[in-house]
Amino acid sequence: NAGVTQTPKFRVLKTGQSMTLLCAQDMNHEYMYWYRQDPGMGLRLIHYSVGEGTTAKGEVPDGYNVSRLKKQNFLLGLESAAPSQTSVYFCASSKKREANTDTQYFGPGTRLTVL
Amino acid sequence: GIQVEQSPPDLILQEGANSTLRCNFSDSVNNLQWFHQNPWGQLINLFYIPSGTKQNGRLSATTVATERYSLLYISSSQTTDSGVYFCAVNTDRIFGNEKLTFGTGTRLTIIP
Repeated sequence: NAGVTQTPKFRVLKTGQSMTLLCAQDMNHEYMYWYRQDPGMGLRLIHYSVGEGTTAKGEVPDGYNVSRLKKQNFLLGLESAAPSQTSVYFCASSKKREANTDTQYFGPGTRLTVL
Repeated sequence: GIQVEQSPPDLILQEGANSTLRCNFSDSVNNLQWFHQNPWGQLINLFYIPSGTKQNGRLSATTVATERYSLLYISSSQTTDSGVYFCAVNTDRIFGNEKLTFGTGTRLTIIP
């Protein structure tokens, strides 16, 4: 049981390049999330998904796209990277809220630098 | 949107000391979690505690929902407790909306 995994762990891009971050979870969770963490700040939600085939915008969605084609995977895409997207990106997943004991489980993070 | 404030922003303690971290929030919540981010960046969930008190070993947490605050207690601190502690809340009562809003964290440094 690997939990939540993210690939790649590190990446350096030039301005204007594109890339996709992959998040995978093996806990059969319904919900998945992408956050970004900037220095000295808490995490901010970019996009999230409440089930396969569904996505929704979070707090800071501009410049990013996501897809949830399979329940276990949640992809975050940057079509044209900008230096302002330099950050650490975290993926998380959680069960459907049923017994009101919901918690989010986080991946190890991807450190992205845009030059 | 909801405001989540954590205090103190930084805390430096000697190993063996006790500490109390505070999280204030500006609206009623249906989900409150405490996380520890270790020095390698990994985020670990400590407690799911929208109300009441929970304990797990040397850590315990109390949320007083009516007064809109939560406290995280760490007793007999160890160097492995170092890192940043985040409080995160969800105010939305629509089923399926699980968005968490994070505070800016308390950076705890335990000195041997």
